[in-house]
Amino acid sequence: KNEVEQSPQNLTAQEGEFITINCSYSVGISALHWLQQHPGGGIVSLFMLSSGKKKHGRLIATINIQEKHSSLHITASHPRDSAVYICAAREGNTPLVFGKGTRLSVIA
Amino acid sequence: GAGVSQSPSNKVTEKGKDVELRCDPISGHTALYWYRQSLGQGLEFLIYFQGNSAPDKSGLPSDRFSAERTGGSVSTLTIQRTQQEDSAVYLCASSLLGQNTEAFFGQGTRLTVV
Repeated sequence: KNEVEQSPQNLTAQEGEFITINCSYSVGISALHWLQQHPGGGIVSLFMLSSGKKKHGRLIATINIQEKHSSLHITASHPRDSAVYICAAREGNTPLVFGKGTRLSVIA
Repeated sequence: GAGVSQSPSNKVTEKGKDVELRCDPISGHTALYWYRQSLGQGLEFLIYFQGNSAPDKSGLPSDRFSAERTGGSVSTLTIQRTQQEDSAVYLCASSLLGQNTEAFFGQGTRLTVV
């Protein structure tokens, strides 16, 4: 059974800081997602990774398949980045297994 | 459609009543998933429809929960005799079949059982 662990659980940062959220999973996967959930809002998929690194604007996601680890980085953080960030992994065609999320608050 | 659409966005129901939640996936997406997020909890898997194969129902918490997908498109999640612990946000996602396919999420239905 795949288990997905995220850290930290909660994170408060000052505007402009560089932020890293970590995700570890326990079994081999075919894809890993980073998702963003705003308060009262739905879920938006930020990245889907199976290897290497992806960048979109101020967001960067990396994955190390050998170490079963992924990181989400936010550069030059802004209060509008405040949200819950969720890591989710899947094996083959199986449903996603989710981490418990990291609640990020960016203070101006 | 442009994205995954769920309805209603909010539903308040009395304990013991039945509710139906609807998910309209992205056109052409043959995989459809239902997840639940209870207050303060992470997302948990409920059921997975994968093309024409039998659905994976292993995440349904009790026999009061059922789901169907008609014509390979729209899906309905039904909760019978609702209980207060059923209160949660119910999320639907769809994707193409395949190992490295991205899942797209709906906005969710917030269900409150009073």
